[in-house]
Amino acid sequence: SQQGEEDPQALSIQEGENATMNCSYKTSINNLQWYRQNSGRGLVHLILIRSNEREKHSGRLRVTLDTSKKSSSLLITASRAADTASYFCGAGSYQLTFGKGTKLSVIP
Amino acid sequence: NAGVTQTPKFQVLKTGQSMTLQCAQDMNHEYMSWYRQDPGMGLRLIHYSVGAGITDQGEVPNGYNVSRSTTEDFPLRLLSAAPSQTSVYFCASSRALNSGDSYGYTFGSGTRLTVV
Repeated sequence: SQQGEEDPQALSIQEGENATMNCSYKTSINNLQWYRQNSGRGLVHLILIRSNEREKHSGRLRVTLDTSKKSSSLLITASRAADTASYFCGAGSYQLTFGKGTKLSVIP
Repeated sequence: NAGVTQTPKFQVLKTGQSMTLQCAQDMNHEYMSWYRQDPGMGLRLIHYSVGAGITDQGEVPNGYNVSRSTTEDFPLRLLSAAPSQTSVYFCASSRALNSGDSYGYTFGSGTRLTVV
């Protein structure tokens, strides 16, 4: 069974808007990670948040983690057309399980 | 540094054939894993390894074998290819967790396999 499950499955926004994606997981984790995948490419690591952290920032990315609700969110601020990609959360410790991803389309 | 290198990038097999998907990393990462990605299914873990000589099964191991004789290489073997194994395969590596800390994965660019 898949640990990380992203929501929504697809998201379409205008350039400059913020994009929020959510992830839920089932069991206790050591950390949760977010990845981006451009079409036909491998996944690229964006940000990692540990189970004892509640919020983390990296550039235009903001990740939150609520271990009591077993959920995380990824916020991309001031989106750009280049942010168009699929986004995945991976939950676990060193062994990550991923969801089906959120497909983000940023319209210029 | 090359990162994680997967070969081949594309492969077509006939049902029943065997083959090995290669994965090599030059970052001295101890943890390596194989995933398959199918439309509507996301990424599913096939096998993983926490170091040379140590492997374990993931979520969907049937029909696949792995070995880890060196830190750098983690090949995935398809024993007798089936159409259900048509997929995109990704290899990933990560630093060891000796200190209990966590690190992000580095993924390869994938192998697109079609079994006819």
